[in-house]
Amino acid sequence: QVQLQESGPGLVKPSETLSLTCSVSGGSVSSGSYYWSWIRQPPGKGLEWIGYIFYNGNTRYSPSLKSRVTISVDTSKNLFSLRLTSLTAADTAIYYCARYTRNNHFDYWGQGTLVTVSS
Amino acid sequence: QSVLTQPPSVSGAPGQRVTISCTGSNSNIGAGYDAHWFQQLPGTAPKLLIYNNNYRPSGVPDRFSGSKSGTSASLAITGLQAEDEADYYCQSYDTSLSGHVVFGGGTKLTVL
Repeated sequence: QVQLQESGPGLVKPSETLSLTCSVSGGSVSSGSYYWSWIRQPPGKGLEWIGYIFYNGNTRYSPSLKSRVTISVDTSKNLFSLRLTSLTAADTAIYYCARYTRNNHFDYWGQGTLVTVSS
Repeated sequence: QSVLTQPPSVSGAPGQRVTISCTGSNSNIGAGYDAHWFQQLPGTAPKLLIYNNNYRPSGVPDRFSGSKSGTSASLAITGLQAEDEADYYCQSYDTSLSGHVVFGGGTKLTVL
């Protein structure tokens, strides 16, 4: 059973950079069958895809966040990471990591981590 | 404004059948990309409910079914139960802007 676990700060100041990590167990980020993705959900709102990465480092990002997002992968530690710059209150959300299949759907999700942007 | 359009809310009494629509366009569902559905219970992460339009992952009751036609998809829930009260999201892939993943805005199902 694949498990994903997000980790990172719960509170970040405006204009600063958010860094989150997703640790994967029961599966390998080096698998050529899956992509590894970040999704967020502002409180009381819907889901927003942020981007995904393949084991070889190939990435694709949401057009609306592309200028501020970097997703990286560490195959030696079996994890992948999110970096989001120039934070504002609008970036306050629950951030989920998830596995994305070649059939274009998410099959396993982390439990999510709440990130609040506030001074 | 979401690329995939869902009704904000639907409701039904226990035992009834409800459907949730997901309307896309010729750059996503209409382009041949599959629709997928997620159930999000309060305070929990989304859970895959239906993939590739009409396939259920192991453990998902057959009361849940999906379909796709043209630029739209639908989720049907029969024999409604109190535990089905949740938010439901559709998801697909869109070819515009170099290609990206898209979600519907979500539908709140209330069991009366």
